[in-house]
Amino acid sequence: QVQLVQSGAEVKKPGASVKVSCKASGYIFTSYDMHWVRQAPGQRPEWMGWINTANGNTKSSQRFQGRVTITRDKSASTAYMELSSLRSEDTAVYYCAREGGGFDYWGQGTLVTVSS
Amino acid sequence: QSVLTQPPSASGTPGQRVTISCSGSSSNIGSNFVYWYQQLPGTAPKLLINVINQRPSGVPDRFSGSKSGTSASLAISGLRSEDEADYYCAAWDDSLSGWVFGGGTKLTVL
Repeated sequence: QVQLVQSGAEVKKPGASVKVSCKASGYIFTSYDMHWVRQAPGQRPEWMGWINTANGNTKSSQRFQGRVTITRDKSASTAYMELSSLRSEDTAVYYCAREGGGFDYWGQGTLVTVSS
Repeated sequence: QSVLTQPPSASGTPGQRVTISCSGSSSNIGSNFVYWYQQLPGTAPKLLINVINQRPSGVPDRFSGSKSGTSASLAISGLRSEDEADYYCAAWDDSLSGWVFGGGTKLTVL
C-alpha cells in the first residue's frame, strides 16, 4: 500500500533552517510528482511547491521563493523540503503529498515549531 | 484573504443533505479542476473528490462534487456523525502558478 512517512517534529530558533524528509513506499517513486503543503494552527493548507521526482525539476510558490528548497533522492525514494530563515510565522505542520489526480496520498505531517 | 472562498461553517442532522460552496475566479475554478478534501482533527487532509466528480477508492458515493463557472460545490447526502470534519476545496491557479486552497468549512453534525 502507498505510504508517505515523514521525519519527526522539529523545534528551531528564528533564523535557522529546517529540513523535512518524506519517504515513499508502495509505488514507483518516480511516477508521481511530490508536493509540500503546510498548515499553520487553525489555518487553511498552504501549498509550498513541488518536485518532478523523475527529473528533479522543481517549482515553488512565490510566497516562499528564495527560502524553500525541494530535492529528492531517487535511490531512497525520498523527497526533502528545506525552509530557511525561519520565523515564528513558519510554525506549522508540514506535509508531503503525492499528486495523483489531486493530492491523493499525504504524509502524516511534521510539526515545525519556531521559537526563541 | 483566501483566493477560494468557503463558508466558515455548515451543519445538518443525521440523514440530511448538506452542501458546501467554494467560490473562485476565472484563473482557478473557472479554468481548472476542483478538488475537495476532508480533514479530521489531528490528521492529514484526505482526498474526497478529484477530477470533477470522481471519488477515490473507498470514498462513499454519499459525497459528490459539481462545478458551474467560477464556483464549485460539495454535497454530502445521508449525513453521518463521522462526517463531522473540516472540508477544503482546492484548485490550480493560472495567475499565481500555484495551488490554492479555500479557507475551509467546519461541518457540524447536530
